[in-house]
Amino acid sequence: EAGVAQSPRYKIIEKRQSVAFWCNPISGHATLYWYQQILGQGPKLLIQFQNNGVVDDSQLPKDRFSAERLKGVDSTLKIQPAKLEDSAVYLCASSLSGVSLHFGNGTRLTVT
Amino acid sequence: EDKVVQSPLSLVVHEGDTVTLNCSYEVTNFRSLLWYKQEKKAPTFLFMLTSSGIEKKSGRLSSILDKKELFSILNITATQTGDSAVYLCAVASSGSARQLTFGSGTQLTVLP
Repeated sequence: EAGVAQSPRYKIIEKRQSVAFWCNPISGHATLYWYQQILGQGPKLLIQFQNNGVVDDSQLPKDRFSAERLKGVDSTLKIQPAKLEDSAVYLCASSLSGVSLHFGNGTRLTVT
Repeated sequence: EDKVVQSPLSLVVHEGDTVTLNCSYEVTNFRSLLWYKQEKKAPTFLFMLTSSGIEKKSGRLSSILDKKELFSILNITATQTGDSAVYLCAVASSGSARQLTFGSGTQLTVLP
């Protein structure tokens, strides 16, 4: 079974620039998550989709972050404009049952 | 707000040592507790625990849950350098969102 695919692997941008991350979940997984993992911390949920609907985005900074999951498969997460404190690894995960998550390798974002 | 606390934050041992990692939690509507191993990339699933007192075992790793005292431990016996990683504890709550709340992790370093 192919795993969760994410791109790019790394991204370096200047503050106030925009950036977008892409995620392709495991085939058939209805639930998709975006997590932010700041160095030295555990992953923090940003947004959870069930098919193409948002289940929980309570911790998403909506003034600068947006995410969509068109057609209930691939998802993109965008930051506009980026701040220094957005430097982190952005992990995408998918799940069939909503309990056991399968993570992608993440995108490491550095904002300078 | 759900809370997961892991200790110690970091641990350095020598090959062959036995280690115990701790995870305590405060969660409404507890459903399960999960352990993940994170090397440089995506967290990989180790165990899921739902019942108190039942040990889960996989090779040199084992874990147990105490739902009365709200904690779990992860034991690694005869540690190897390949066990060096961040070990993440996460708690799943029930309800429509079915979120995972992660702890900050324990950074384990196994020296040869």
